[in-house]
Amino acid sequence: DAKTTQPNSMESNEEEPVHLPCNHSTISGTDYIHWYRQLPSQGPEYVIHGLTSNVNNRMASLAIAEDRKSSTLILHRATLRDAAVYYCILRETGANNLFFGTGTRLTVIP
Amino acid sequence: EAEVAQSPRYKITEKSQAVAFWCDPISGHATLYWYRQILGQGPELLVQFQDESVVDDSQLPKDRFSAERLKGVDSTLKIQPAELGDSAMYLCASSFTWESDYNEQFFGPGTRLTVL
Repeated sequence: DAKTTQPNSMESNEEEPVHLPCNHSTISGTDYIHWYRQLPSQGPEYVIHGLTSNVNNRMASLAIAEDRKSSTLILHRATLRDAAVYYCILRETGANNLFFGTGTRLTVIP
Repeated sequence: EAEVAQSPRYKITEKSQAVAFWCDPISGHATLYWYRQILGQGPELLVQFQDESVVDDSQLPKDRFSAERLKGVDSTLKIQPAELGDSAMYLCASSFTWESDYNEQFFGPGTRLTVL
């Protein structure tokens, strides 16, 4: 599995935007970029995914660098409920599982 | 909203005992996954089912772990005998399929196992 590198932790003030970076310099052309998050005492939940173009959904936006060697998950207005561990995952087309890594622990400050 | 159900939520056992965890995936989801998550780490896949068939169990310690999904719906993960190093969160997930470019996985709340 191609690996990703994320900061261990980040902090954000409530109602401010948050940019969570992910480096994936060994990404292949068929790897999708997935983001999941895990709230305290819960299982992970899907956030967003993309291949080459930037993506938006109701939870977040995903900005993918032109060379695809990095991406950024954007939370437009952080809330206390967004405090979680965020995992950036590369998933090869047709691959059968997700390799989670250790993720970024986001702390939201009231 | 449909959810993945798991039971029990918490299990405390002594080493060398047998334990079993149950998972009921979202209705209609053909693919079921069991993950193990050690404290401070991300989940790691143990076994994946497509309907009742095992697709990937390469990371399952087969000397003590077993998993089944007899009717292609709910699933049981068993550990016998349990060891101290098995203390972890055991997560079940399901997806509509895995053979596509998009297969969002839905996770259950997990079973927290403590082996004494």
